[in-house]
Amino acid sequence: GENVEQHPSTLSVQEGDSAVIKCTYSDSASNYFPWYKQELGKGPQLIIDIRSNVGEKKDQRIAVTLNKTAKHFSLHITETQPEDSAVYFCAASNYGSSNTGKLIFGQGTTLQVKP
Amino acid sequence: GAVVSQHPSRVICKSGTSVKIECRSLDFQATTMFWYRQFPKQSLMLMATSNEGSKATYEQGVEKDKFLINHASLTLSTLTVTSAHPEDSSFYICSARDMGTITEAFFGQGTRLTVV
Repeated sequence: GENVEQHPSTLSVQEGDSAVIKCTYSDSASNYFPWYKQELGKGPQLIIDIRSNVGEKKDQRIAVTLNKTAKHFSLHITETQPEDSAVYFCAASNYGSSNTGKLIFGQGTTLQVKP
Repeated sequence: GAVVSQHPSRVICKSGTSVKIECRSLDFQATTMFWYRQFPKQSLMLMATSNEGSKATYEQGVEKDKFLINHASLTLSTLTVTSAHPEDSSFYICSARDMGTITEAFFGQGTRLTVV
């Protein structure tokens, strides 16, 4: 089955700096890669996602890149702010009409943005 | 985005009792719902996938007789933890996906279960 590895487990940056979190996946059939932000005691919230037919996607300060050949994808947050501090999870899914597209999550990265 | 409502947000129960957690999709029809379990400082572990009107598919190692899942309508799925024990204490999260359209999975707020 699918396995998703996420690094680093913790990341501390100064406000205004960039943060990069990386994930690798094992199942070459995976075609959907979302990133979630989870605050303490809450459910995950989608912040950005990318499908396998796209190499890069950007939404304001957040961007995701995908390398299908190497089977890895990364989250980039620029101009970090204290409110970006949270746990971030990557996930991979084989999404299609014939399957449920269950998400397999990485281990999570605790991001701390220091003012 | 679409809203998934999960209740209760917190529950404390005595060992040996059963607890039901509800997951509702408020503005879309969720043909598929997923139930996750999350221990402190750990990732989300998929417990089961449920499709409306059919039996849930459980992940390896998850006891289907202990974690009863019902997905009787397109907007409601329930997870019942039967004969709960302290080791069942965890954060339970549901998510819903509308398979009729290409869409993300929307997550509920989570339920903190404490078994005493």
